[in-house]
Amino acid sequence: DQQVKQNSPSLSVQEGRISILNCDYTNSMFDYFLWYKKYPAEGPTFLISISSIKDKNEDGRFTVFLNKSAKHLSLHIVPSQPGDSAVYFCAATPSGTYKYIFGTGTRLKVLA
Amino acid sequence: DTGVSQDPRHKITKRGQNVTFRCDPISEHNRLYWYRQTLGQGPEFLTYFQNEAQLEKSRLLSDRFSAERPKGSFSTLEIQRTEQGDSAMYLCASSLGQDFEKLFFGSGTQLSVL
Repeated sequence: DQQVKQNSPSLSVQEGRISILNCDYTNSMFDYFLWYKKYPAEGPTFLISISSIKDKNEDGRFTVFLNKSAKHLSLHIVPSQPGDSAVYFCAATPSGTYKYIFGTGTRLKVLA
Repeated sequence: DTGVSQDPRHKITKRGQNVTFRCDPISEHNRLYWYRQTLGQGPEFLTYFQNEAQLEKSRLLSDRFSAERPKGSFSTLEIQRTEQGDSAMYLCASSLGQDFEKLFFGSGTQLSVL
């Protein structure tokens, strides 16, 4: 039962263009959402988060959008840089617990 | 802030052997998590601690797995009678212990069971 889904296993984008990574969830009780980036042989590193009471959060080149009615989360990276090439995971926490549930990841490749 | 430290980085063992991994969280972090990640998958929740108390444990965690955090600081994850299906990256993470916060991950321990 995959509660957090990332349906695109990979994405390629030209340097300077926008990267859009998508995430869908099934549990309406999720109240906090996060995006992590992972390079090979390293642990995931935090990028950006959003609580369920908001629909947008921005931090530099990274913006996360939350559409609660569609149970959909997206991460926008503008402009994309070659150093952004990594695997990106979305994660969510159900209300009343501190467990973080991760999606399966999307491998982003930014082409120079 | 020295980050979350995990030891060892790599472990190769034979099927049936026991293995133990250690995690040192960021100091003053009250919550500590263990996750498992296999190729092509996201981190899968195993268990988490609030100080020394183990508050939640995944149903996927069989009786062969046990985790401890005896003094509320470092934690150990033991796998008894390892099986080939246990081969994975074992990730530890920690957090301060507040609502709506991020996890800080270590670099993980890569386990290979032959």
